[in-house]
Amino acid sequence: ILNVEQSPQSLHVQEGDSTNFTCSFPSSNFYALHWYRWETAKSPEALFVMTLNGDEKKKGRISATLNTKEGYSYLYIKGSQPEDSATYLCAFSTGTASKLTFGTGTRLQVTL
Amino acid sequence: DTEVTQTPKHLVMGMTNKKSLKCEQHMGHRAMYWYKQKAKKPPELMFVYSYEKLSINESVPSRFSPECPNSSLLNLHLHALQPEDSALYLCASSRQGGERNTQYFGPGTRLTVL
Repeated sequence: ILNVEQSPQSLHVQEGDSTNFTCSFPSSNFYALHWYRWETAKSPEALFVMTLNGDEKKKGRISATLNTKEGYSYLYIKGSQPEDSATYLCAFSTGTASKLTFGTGTRLQVTL
Repeated sequence: DTEVTQTPKHLVMGMTNKKSLKCEQHMGHRAMYWYKQKAKKPPELMFVYSYEKLSINESVPSRFSPECPNSSLLNLHLHALQPEDSALYLCASSRQGGERNTQYFGPGTRLTVL
């Protein structure tokens, strides 16, 4: 059983704050790491697929980094806005089981 | 169009009922997935179809029966479910199988089994 952990479980920030969360995964047999944003009552939205150690990806104010040797990925949000309020999920794969294993998510709430 | 649609949005059924969940995508994707998500838990993979053939069954009980009639459609047939099967059922698709391909999710069907 693969253990994918996300921290913190929840986070409450004010508009304009920058924030980051962590996804930890087994460092052996790394194949791919996905980040998703999931707003309440909507579909999970794909943010990034990361495959190489040292990868950095950016989409607007959101960016992510990957360290496969130590088994973690960071997701950063610069200048948080209320519309960033969502649960952020990471999902990990070893490439051998042909499936993604999801973390339990970080629930972000951004207030004015 | 990066949309995956799922119907119905909500479903309430008794333990003796037979019902089906439907999923559709028109992105030309050749891999489709069913996930189950219980409250406060991460989504868990149930089935994967690749090129309309079942490629992964994560030891799901036979009361859940998937079907892929064509490359755009994915069904999940439900029969004799238990109350513990109540959950959000998510469908996803990707260009092809393999975990380096982005999966596009539908909004889910919220299932309640009485």
